[in-house]
Amino acid sequence: NAGVTQTPKFRVLKTGQSMTLLCAQDMNHEYMYWYRQDPGMGLRLIHYSVGEGTTAKGEVPDGYNVSRLKKQNFLLGLESAAPSQTSVYFCASSPASGRYNEQFFGPGTRLTVL
Amino acid sequence: AQTVTQSQPEMSVQEAETVTLSCTYDTSESDYYLFWYKQPPSRQMILVIRQEAYKQQNATENRFSVNFQKAAKSFSLKISDSQLGDAAMYFCAYHTDKLIFGTGTRLQVFP
Repeated sequence: NAGVTQTPKFRVLKTGQSMTLLCAQDMNHEYMYWYRQDPGMGLRLIHYSVGEGTTAKGEVPDGYNVSRLKKQNFLLGLESAAPSQTSVYFCASSPASGRYNEQFFGPGTRLTVL
Repeated sequence: AQTVTQSQPEMSVQEAETVTLSCTYDTSESDYYLFWYKQPPSRQMILVIRQEAYKQQNATENRFSVNFQKAAKSFSLKISDSQLGDAAMYFCAYHTDKLIFGTGTRLQVFP
């Protein structure tokens, strides 16, 4: 099992460009999450999904959109990238949202917006 | 709002010694879980240990143990017999319906 994978691992964008980050998991997990990690701020939740076809906003959703068309995939889109979106993005999945359940993380995508 | 505070941005320890990383949290919930995640230079987030708020017994996983003080809302991580491979960022996290992370503590391990 590959676990949680993220594509791409690195990306540089110019302000105003768009891109999509792909997250895939092969553990048949219901829940998937997108976080961003900035220096000195820990991980913050952007959007999450409780199942195929559903999405919900997290703590910092502005400037991002997501889609969960297939259970195993969770896409994060930036329609018009801004320098403030320079960050490391992590995808995670869990079997359910139960408080006990560990979230399994991908390796991260480092995004730089010039 | 729930918050998680890690007041030690950096810590260091000698190999084979013991180190304790601090974490406090603020919540009005009674049912929750607490986690410690490790993030090595590879960036991969790895679960170290978890603790259920209803359990008085402190969780242990090999060289890792916690000191959970529910009334004080404190959840510290103790690493015994520190190894070079323990060097990483450590994040404390609180979980009810969402996972809320602290800002992390960078642990250096010296030979």
